[in-house]
Amino acid sequence: EVQLVESGGGLAQPGGSLRLSCAASGFTLSTYDMHWVRQATGKGLEWVSALGSAGDTEYPDSVKGRFTISRENAKNSLYLQMNNLRAGDTAIYYCARAGDSGGAFDMWGQGTMVTVSS
Amino acid sequence: QLVLTQSPSASASLGASVKLTCTLSSGHSTYAIAWHRQQPEKAPRYLMKLNSDGSHSKGDGIPDRFSGSSSGAERYLIISSLQSEDEADYYCQTWGTGSWVFGGGTKLTVL
Repeated sequence: EVQLVESGGGLAQPGGSLRLSCAASGFTLSTYDMHWVRQATGKGLEWVSALGSAGDTEYPDSVKGRFTISRENAKNSLYLQMNNLRAGDTAIYYCARAGDSGGAFDMWGQGTMVTVSS
Repeated sequence: QLVLTQSPSASASLGASVKLTCTLSSGHSTYAIAWHRQQPEKAPRYLMKLNSDGSHSKGDGIPDRFSGSSSGAERYLIISSLQSEDEADYYCQTWGTGSWVFGGGTKLTVL
C-alpha cells in the first residue's frame, strides 16, 4: 500500500526540541520532493519545509533557522528536527509528497500532534 | 507576493452542484493549483491539479463528479451530485520558487 505514516509528536516545553518522522511505503521517498505542512487547531494549512529529490531544502521565515528537514534513504523516511520550539508551533504536522504533477501535494500522511507548552 | 484567496464558507443542497473559487494574486494568473479536501478530524486528501487552461488531473479514486475549470486568475472546483461526505474544508494550494502556499480554505456545508 502506498502511504505516509508520521510519528514522533508529543509535548515539548518552550525552547525545547522534537524530531518528527514520516515513514513512506509503496514508493521510493528519495525520488520525490517531500514536504512538511502544519495545521493549528481550527486554522488552515501552513507549509513548513521542503526537501527536493536533489537534496535542496526550503523553509518559510516562520521556522527558518529552527527547523531542519532531512531524509534517510535506507529507511525510506523523512524527518523534521524542530528546535527552539514556541507556543505558536503547536499544531498537527503532516508530511506530504509532491507528485509527478510538480508542486501539487498528491499524498498526505495522517498527521502527528505537537504541543508546545510549559 | 504569491497569495491564494478563498471564500470562508459555501453551502449547497444534497444532490445539487457547487462551484468553489480560488483566486491567484496579481501577476500569478498563469499558475497551476491543486485542490485538497479535508473532512472533519481527518487529514487532507488530494483531489486534483488544475492548470491555467482548465485541464486537470485527478488523484487516485476521485470520482467523476469532481471537476475543475479556470478563468484568468480564478480556479474553480465543481462538485456535482453533492453527498453528505462532501461536507468538508476545501483548500487550494500553489507553488512558486522556494515557496508553497495554501488558500485560507472554504468550509462547505451540505444542506
